[in-house]
Amino acid sequence: LAKTTQPISMDSYEGQEVNITCSHNNIATNDYITWYQQFPSQGPRFIIQGYKTKVTNEVASLFIPADRKSSTLSLPRVSLSDTAVYYCLVGDTGGRRALTFGSGTRLQVQP
Amino acid sequence: GAVVSQHPSWVICKSGTSVKIECRSLDFQATTMFWYRQFPKQSLMLMATSNEGSKATYEQGVEKDKFLINHASLTLSTLTVTSAHPEDSSFYICSARKTGTRQETQYFGPGTRLLVL
Repeated sequence: LAKTTQPISMDSYEGQEVNITCSHNNIATNDYITWYQQFPSQGPRFIIQGYKTKVTNEVASLFIPADRKSSTLSLPRVSLSDTAVYYCLVGDTGGRRALTFGSGTRLQVQP
Repeated sequence: GAVVSQHPSWVICKSGTSVKIECRSLDFQATTMFWYRQFPKQSLMLMATSNEGSKATYEQGVEKDKFLINHASLTLSTLTVTSAHPEDSSFYICSARKTGTRQETQYFGPGTRLLVL
């Protein structure tokens, strides 16, 4: 499984756009990139998943360059409720192995 | 949707007793479920992979006789912590792999807080 590297923490203010970048230099051809959000004492919540280029849904966008060695989760106009830990995971979701969690990025949104 | 539930959400037990945690996929079938453990301020650590109708696969360092996993149906996996001790106190989270789409995605339950006294 490809190892991922994310910033340990980030600070932002309400209304700003937040971009969290994840490095995954050893990503394999069959690997997808998945981002999860976790609040204290809750299970991780699926945010977005992609393979290449750009993916957008109602809560976030995911940008993946052509070499796929990194990805950026973009949260538009964050609010206080977006304060959480964000995990970037890379794995062959078509296989049978579980996703392995790294340390994640702790996002703190200030008023 | 893809909803995964866990029961109970929290449990307190005495040292030496056994505790069973249920994980259910409510609106999809899951041939594969996973069990994670999370200690305070740490990331999730994979304990085992639960496959419907077959034995679970445990990660290195996880005692299979202590953490019994049963995946008897396509919507239910159970984790039983046997002879629990205070060091087993943790947040246990299950996930289920939703199949049937081009890319399979793991969906997580809300977690179960276990406190062993």
